[in-house]
Amino acid sequence: AQSVTQLGSHVSVSEGALVLLRCNYSSSVPPYLFWYVQYPNQGLQLLLKYTTGATLVKGINGFEAEFKKSETSFHLTKPSAHMSDAAEYFCAVSEWNTGNQFYFGTGTSLTVIP
Amino acid sequence: GAGVSQTPSNKVTEKGKYVELRCDPISGHTALYWYRQSLGQGPEFLIYFQGTGAADDSGLPNDRFFAVRPEGSVSTLKIQRTERGDSAVYLCASSRLAGDDEQFFGPGTRLTVL
Repeated sequence: AQSVTQLGSHVSVSEGALVLLRCNYSSSVPPYLFWYVQYPNQGLQLLLKYTTGATLVKGINGFEAEFKKSETSFHLTKPSAHMSDAAEYFCAVSEWNTGNQFYFGTGTSLTVIP
Repeated sequence: GAGVSQTPSNKVTEKGKYVELRCDPISGHTALYWYRQSLGQGPEFLIYFQGTGAADDSGLPNDRFFAVRPEGSVSTLKIQRTERGDSAVYLCASSRLAGDDEQFFGPGTRLTVL
C-alpha cells in the first residue's frame, strides 16, 4: 500500500535561511512523487514532480527536491526562504498502474520569520 | 484555458440533509478524481472516474456517499443524510488520462454540517 509521511507538521525558518521539508513514502512499484503548495483559502498548486529520469527535480519559486530510492525519500528544499513561501506544503505519491490516485501526507505548515 | 472549477465554493447544511457538490474538469480530461480534506489533514482519495465509469471508489467512506459522471465531463458528488463528521473541503482534480503524471486541482468546496 502507498503512504506518505511528512516529518514535522510545523516548520519555522528565518527569511533567507534554508528551507527543508521532509517526505518519506512507501510504494510497491516505482512511484510518481509530487510536492504541492496550498496558500490560505486557495487550491493545491503543483510545485514539482518526479516521474522518471533525473532524480533532482526543480520546480517553481526556486524549490527543488531529490528522489532517493534507497532512502524512500523526496525532501523539498529551497536555498533561501522568502516571506511569500509561508504556506502549507503537501507531499504526495501515486502509482501509475493503479489509476494514479494520489496519496497525500498530512502536510507541513511553513512559517517564515522576518 | 479554464482550470477545474467547483461549485458551490461553500455549503452549509444541517445534519441529516442531502447535498450535491459539482465539479467541472478541464475540457478534454478523461480522468476525474474526488478527494476530501479534513481540517489539519492532507487530502484523502475518495473516488476516480475514467470517462463515465467509476474506476475505483474504494475511498468512499460509506454508502451515504455517491458520485456520478454521466456524460464523462461534469461530476457530482452526492452525500445523503449528512453528518457533522462530513464537514471538510471536498477537492476535485482532473487529468488528461488516468495514469498521467499530473492532476489539476480545483479550489474545493467547503462543506459545513451543523
